[in-house]
Amino acid sequence: GQNIDQPTEMTATEGAIVQINCTYQTSGFNGLFWYQQHAGEAPTFLSYNVLDGLEEKGRFSSFLSRSKGYSYLLLKELQMKDSASYLCAVTYAGNNRKLIWGLGTSLAVNP
Amino acid sequence: DGGITQSPKYLFRKEGQNVTLSCEQNLNHDAMYWYRQDPGQGLRLIYYSQIVNDFQKGDIAEGYSVSREKKESFPLTVTSAQKNPTAFYLCASSMRSNEQFFGPGTRLTVL
Repeated sequence: GQNIDQPTEMTATEGAIVQINCTYQTSGFNGLFWYQQHAGEAPTFLSYNVLDGLEEKGRFSSFLSRSKGYSYLLLKELQMKDSASYLCAVTYAGNNRKLIWGLGTSLAVNP
Repeated sequence: DGGITQSPKYLFRKEGQNVTLSCEQNLNHDAMYWYRQDPGQGLRLIYYSQIVNDFQKGDIAEGYSVSREKKESFPLTVTSAQKNPTAFYLCASSMRSNEQFFGPGTRLTVL
């Protein structure tokens, strides 16, 4: 199978840093996406990692280790508006137009 | 402005009726997708299309049908054969980068 695993729920405090992990099966791996989804809304693109390493984009950073089948999304200086579900999705060789989605991590940011 | 539109935002139908959800994009994207999302669950792929006049079944195609007669349009029909059609339906499109752009979604309730 091509299971994508991420924690179901996380809680953090406003102003803090939180790391959301995602693991996946490495065989045939092509690339990994992170999306943000607020309740009742559509997912919006955050990042795309193909190569090992950390990519920073403002308060959000995404890390990938291809050999370990591991990625994380790092959110700094948390704001209340960051309360949302964070979805990890992977493409595999052979059909890189199809994303395999994790179930999402619901993040609650408390004051 | 370029984007993906889905209409209506909320849709109510009686059990046993077929219903068609619209999805239009003016991003000139080749590929289009339909997902279903249930409360507390991830995105599940219903159908996707990589080019005009061609489409493939996703993971949960039973009880659904699609057409792709134009590049801009990818309507989804929820038939009476779908056992549990009440859900949030999301349409997406992508170009070669594989980043998927989502429409605002249609929340279908079957009474």
